[in-house]
Amino acid sequence: EPEVTQTPSHQVTQMGQEVILRCVPISNHLYFYWYRQILGQKVEFLVSFYNNEISEKSEIFDDQFSVERPDGSNFTLKIRSTKLEDSAMYFCASSWDRYYSGANVLTFGAGSRLTVL
Amino acid sequence: AQTVTQSQPEMSVQEAETVTLSCTYDTSESDYYLFWYKQPPSRQMILVIRQEAYKQQNATENRFSVNFQKAAKSFSLKISDSQLGDAAMYFCAYRIEETSGSRLTFGEGTQLTVNP
Repeated sequence: EPEVTQTPSHQVTQMGQEVILRCVPISNHLYFYWYRQILGQKVEFLVSFYNNEISEKSEIFDDQFSVERPDGSNFTLKIRSTKLEDSAMYFCASSWDRYYSGANVLTFGAGSRLTVL
Repeated sequence: AQTVTQSQPEMSVQEAETVTLSCTYDTSESDYYLFWYKQPPSRQMILVIRQEAYKQQNATENRFSVNFQKAAKSFSLKISDSQLGDAAMYFCAYRIEETSGSRLTFGEGTQLTVNP
C-alpha cells in the first residue's frame, strides 16, 4: 500500500537553528499538508499546498515557517529559527484530487519528532 | 470557525466488549466529511473510518461503525469485539469539501484502553 515517507524520524536541535523536515508524498497525490502535534495535545493544521503554492495556512504558520516542493517528489517544511515551543511531532500528509472517489482522505506519514533544546 | 469536541479524555473497555467514543462538531456548512483517526503509541495517524455528510447511511468498516446524527452534529464511533490492538488515542476530525486542500480540524482525542 502506498505510504507517505518522512525524514528524519527524530531531530534534536538547538534553539535558533534552522530545521528542514522532509516528506515524500504518495506519487499520484496532488495536495500536500503539514500538521503538528505538541506532546499531549491535539493535532493542529499548519499549511496545505497545491499546484506549487500554499492554498491555506493557519495562524501557527508564521514567517518562521516555509514549505517547498523542490523537485516534484519531496515536500519540505523549513523552520528558520527554532524556538522551544516548536518542539512537537510534525506530520506530513497527502491526498488525491478532491473530485476522485478517494478524495478527502488524507494519508499521514509516521511523523518527524522535533526536539528544540 | 469549525470546532470538534471529544468530551471523553479517557475510555476503557474489556477485550471482546463494545465501546462507543463520542464526538460533536460545530459547523454552518452543509457539505463536509467526518473522520476517525487512530494514533497508537507509535504516534502514526491511521484512518479508521470516514463519513460523508450527504450520506444518511452510517459508515461501517469491519468492527468499526459510526452513528452519524447530522441534525445533532454528532459523530460517535462504535468499536465492537474490542481487541488489545485497538488500544490507542482516537481523534475525531472534520473537513469541508469545497476548498482545495482544506484543513482537517481535530478534536482533543480520547485515549482508549483495552483490558484483557
